[in-house]
Amino acid sequence: GAVVSQHPSWVICKSGTSVKIECRSLDFQATTMFWYRQFPKQSLMLMATSNEGSKATYEQGVEKDKFLINHASLTLSTLTVTSAHPEDSSFYICSARPRQTPQPQHFGDGTRLSIL
Amino acid sequence: GENVEQHPSTLSVQEGDSAVIKCTYSDSASNYFPWYKQELGKRPQLIIDIRSNVGEKKDQRIAVTLNKTAKHFSLHITETQPEDSAVFFCAASIGNTGNQFYFGTGTSLTVIP
Repeated sequence: GAVVSQHPSWVICKSGTSVKIECRSLDFQATTMFWYRQFPKQSLMLMATSNEGSKATYEQGVEKDKFLINHASLTLSTLTVTSAHPEDSSFYICSARPRQTPQPQHFGDGTRLSIL
Repeated sequence: GENVEQHPSTLSVQEGDSAVIKCTYSDSASNYFPWYKQELGKRPQLIIDIRSNVGEKKDQRIAVTLNKTAKHFSLHITETQPEDSAVFFCAASIGNTGNQFYFGTGTSLTVIP
């Protein structure tokens, strides 16, 4: 149980393109989902907390107009990297927390984003 | 906010030896401490967790200890095997609702056959 699906797993696109990443909890409802960014050989950096039906809470230094987050249902959150540039290339991972508390977060497989 | 420090950043041990990874946290309100294992290019996977009302927890070859007074917690892996090689992250979370996780910087563990 507690499976989180993230799609796509790998994206290569041109500079200036907007890219949407989906995060789905397959067998549980998640009122809260989290989006992380991870550079090679570095830790997971929390970008934002996504709450179903409300606006996401962004960590300091993360541009909310650059990284659009939508959490329209209890099983789906999306991250859109708008007008992506090479410096946005990274590994993006989502996680979801089941409604029942307390519970650990369950991670998706991540999306490797490469901007040319 | 919470600041989690993790040491060492790299660790090499001989197969069969024990490995210890240590983390410290800054916010005394943190009360949930999970440990994740991440293999290259894959998702972090929860291997063990501990809550602040417990001082130690063990699951087969893996154990975690927590010292609330000193604000540090440690991961202990005994009888290490080559397949234990991975990057391990500690994290701290405030609140019983499992709010934001603040991750340590990671430890790359290599178990030498």
